[in-house]
Amino acid sequence: RKEVEQDPGPFNVPEGATVAFNCTYSNSASQSFFWYRQDCRKEPKLLMSVYSSGNEDGRFTAQLNRASQYISLLIRDSKLSDSATYLCVVEFYFGTGTSLTVIP
Amino acid sequence: GAGVSQTPSNKVTEKGKYVELRCDPISGHTALYWYRQSLGQGPEFLIYFQGTGAADDSGLPNDRFFAVRPEGSVSTLKIQRTERGDSAVYLCASSLTGQGAMGGYTFGSGTRLTVV
Repeated sequence: RKEVEQDPGPFNVPEGATVAFNCTYSNSASQSFFWYRQDCRKEPKLLMSVYSSGNEDGRFTAQLNRASQYISLLIRDSKLSDSATYLCVVEFYFGTGTSLTVIP
Repeated sequence: GAGVSQTPSNKVTEKGKYVELRCDPISGHTALYWYRQSLGQGPEFLIYFQGTGAADDSGLPNDRFFAVRPEGSVSTLKIQRTERGDSAVYLCASSLTGQGAMGGYTFGSGTRLTVV
């Protein structure tokens, strides 16, 4: 059983759309949660940490549901530059990543 | 240093050979992690160091893989008797503190290993 499960997509959305990614995890004792962004042939980079109360950074909102053991990322008003792979991280385990392409 | 540095950036080796991959973490970061990433997959956890000791090596696929961090800074991932299936990008990351790092993990640009 994988530590972190994530729908690989791909998600193809028009500019301006709202898109949401979910990720489930297996270890209920997990304490740290993150979303990373990875561009093609580049290393992953931290997008945002995920806090129990939920948190927002501009167009990005992250939420944690401990009871159901999932985390989510919401991207509002998608931009072309948001096209990338989004990786959820629980402790130091990464999901497979979800590919997002924002279409003009 | 300012970021996580990995060398070499590319390595081509023949099947059966031994390779060493080096990671120089951000100065002051006590925790260091090794991952490997294949095309279309997320980073696969290999091993995590806290200081000089391996806090979790459960991700090492078999005994051909070994990693050290003798002085709590630079780490070397060693692969013996390489196989074609070992071909991947090997990523190193560091964090200020260990598991549960509030600041997340900072990655190097990786070593692309190709076994021919």
